[in-house]
Amino acid sequence: AQKVTQAQTEISVVEKEDVTLDCVYETRDTTYYLFWYKQPPSGELVFLIRRNSFDEQNEISGRYSWNFQKSTSSFNFTITASQVVDSAVYFCALSRWGGDYKLSFGAGTTVTVRA
Amino acid sequence: EPEVTQTPSHQVTQMGQEVILRCVPISNHLYFYWYRQILGQKVEFLVSFYNNEISEKSEIFDDQFSVERPDGSNFTLKIRSTKLEDSAMYFCASSVSTESGNTIYFGEGSWLTVV
Repeated sequence: AQKVTQAQTEISVVEKEDVTLDCVYETRDTTYYLFWYKQPPSGELVFLIRRNSFDEQNEISGRYSWNFQKSTSSFNFTITASQVVDSAVYFCALSRWGGDYKLSFGAGTTVTVRA
Repeated sequence: EPEVTQTPSHQVTQMGQEVILRCVPISNHLYFYWYRQILGQKVEFLVSFYNNEISEKSEIFDDQFSVERPDGSNFTLKIRSTKLEDSAMYFCASSVSTESGNTIYFGEGSWLTVV
């Protein structure tokens, strides 16, 4: 069975502060994918990043960065210098490698950035 | 950029009525999915579809639900006799496996309210 835990339910910050979202996962698979999706107030699910389990390099994309640590089964997401437009629910998700690639989602973390 | 499109964006239906939610996946994608998100909760997998048949379904996807790919572009979810607890956002998604991996892209969702 696959499980994703996002322990932080809500985070509130003031604009320009950094925000780190935690994600811990469980899987018996040796190869798998990890994802982050953003769900803004309008409701759609926006793909942010996919990480393959054998690629432990950290990644930076603009103000977003991701820290993947296989040893601790964590895939944390940091927003640097947060902006009001970053206010959303962020979901971490896990899928198998191969087969139908079904996603298992965490419960999500609501980020509120105040001006 | 190619995207998954869903119709309708909102639907209100009477309990017991049949509902069909429609999706046009990204054109070169081969895997298709339906997910559900009850208000304020996490995104849950319903069903995956590949090679014109269901490849996996969750416990939620009971006999009231069915999926179909009636032609080369559409992918539909039918709920035969809606219940109040079917009220949720329904997301269609699609993916294709490439050398670099598999990323699942979601549509904007269809809000279903059962009254």
